[in-house]
Amino acid sequence: EVQLVESGGGLVKPGGSLRLSCAASGFTFSTYSMNWVRQAPGKGLEWVSSITSSSYIYYADSVKGRFTVSRDNAKNSLYLLMNSLRAEDTAVYYCAFTSQRAYWGQGTLVTVSS
Amino acid sequence: DVQMTQSPSTLSASVGDRVTITCRASQSISSWLAWYQQKPGKAPKLLIYKASSLESGVPSRFSGSASGTEFTFTISSLQPDDFATYYCQQYNSYLWTFGQGTKVEIK
Repeated sequence: EVQLVESGGGLVKPGGSLRLSCAASGFTFSTYSMNWVRQAPGKGLEWVSSITSSSYIYYADSVKGRFTVSRDNAKNSLYLLMNSLRAEDTAVYYCAFTSQRAYWGQGTLVTVSS
Repeated sequence: DVQMTQSPSTLSASVGDRVTITCRASQSISSWLAWYQQKPGKAPKLLIYKASSLESGVPSRFSGSASGTEFTFTISSLQPDDFATYYCQQYNSYLWTFGQGTKVEIK
């Protein structure tokens, strides 16, 4: 069974940093592109970043230069290092991937507030 | 980037009604489109993938179809548990995009 479990969320002050993790199981992690998607309170879904199986990386303009995505195939894990956090980064962050269909984790809440 | 235009943004309907939501892609995405249902405080739940494939365990009253760059999601007979927000998502490119969402409300 495919499982994606996010962790690392919490309360952080504006300008601070946080590192999210996504532990994957039940599929061959190294062969799939992985993604981060977020949802601000009361808002829609926003794609944040993708990292391919070959480690090509893509970012949304809203996080470019502040967020860094990475993966560790030996640990079946996906990461998102978030620097220079802003209030507007407050959201639930999900990791997800697609094959024919889509698989999502349950999300981890990041709150940026003083 | 591919833009996804979803309509309507809000829909008021009654139990038993047929409900249709549309997403239009700004360019070809083949059939790489998914539909999700989301309830408050919960992760999105996959209902339809590859435009028209029903996710395992999802009731058959949910369906999806495609015509070129226009995608349609239908609930054939709205049930009380179906009042929620629905999103489309394209996954043809590495840069995923989502529709703005459709909130299905009780009429």
